[in-house]
Amino acid sequence: ILNVEQSPQSLHVQEGDSTNFTCSFPSSNFYALHWYRWETAKSPEALFVMTLNGDEKKKGRISATLNTKEGYSYLYIKGSQPEDSATYLCASTGGGNKLTFGTGTQLKVEL
Amino acid sequence: KAGVTQTPRYLIKTRGQQVTLSCSPISGHRSVSWYQQTPGQGLQFLFEYFSETQRNKGNFPGRFSGRQFSNSRSEMNVSTLELGDSALYLCASSFTDSGYGYTFGSGTRLTVV
Repeated sequence: ILNVEQSPQSLHVQEGDSTNFTCSFPSSNFYALHWYRWETAKSPEALFVMTLNGDEKKKGRISATLNTKEGYSYLYIKGSQPEDSATYLCASTGGGNKLTFGTGTQLKVEL
Repeated sequence: KAGVTQTPRYLIKTRGQQVTLSCSPISGHRSVSWYQQTPGQGLQFLFEYFSETQRNKGNFPGRFSGRQFSNSRSEMNVSTLELGDSALYLCASSFTDSGYGYTFGSGTRLTVV
């Protein structure tokens, strides 16, 4: 993996469904993995920053895991709500403030 | 506390012109980074300034430049605009140099016609 890749590109789920997205990143020269939530016409909002292999973070119904050896992270949303509709971005960094972003997963939660 | 402020929010320019975008970071943040987002592309890193010095630079042509002032406010300049420069430009500020506490502004939408 040379770039940060996210899948799927978009996702439509029903309210109450649980869902997950994948972020793949170069495992060499890795320092941290960031997840952001970006709603239309707003600023990207930081969700998690993870650095250690095996890290798990949780914020309400959203959680994330990190595998630095194989270069992937999962973001889980339990019991999706319409307000979870947004684009979810991941970014990796080898240190410093230069983040390399994936193209995002666009989530739409329907009633 | 006030967030990261970018001005203007929207801008329309003609090919060949130049443009300057402004970013005021959160008070106390000394690092300001700039990103470009075009349709179908992820956020692409342009450059980072820390204490008035450019610390990192992305893979963009020399038409893209920036600077940071002593109060940490940053400006980004694009000269000889091309249609492909139409994009959303985001800046982010941080207190640290480790990517933690990275806070984004709402962006400037530049349209080149």
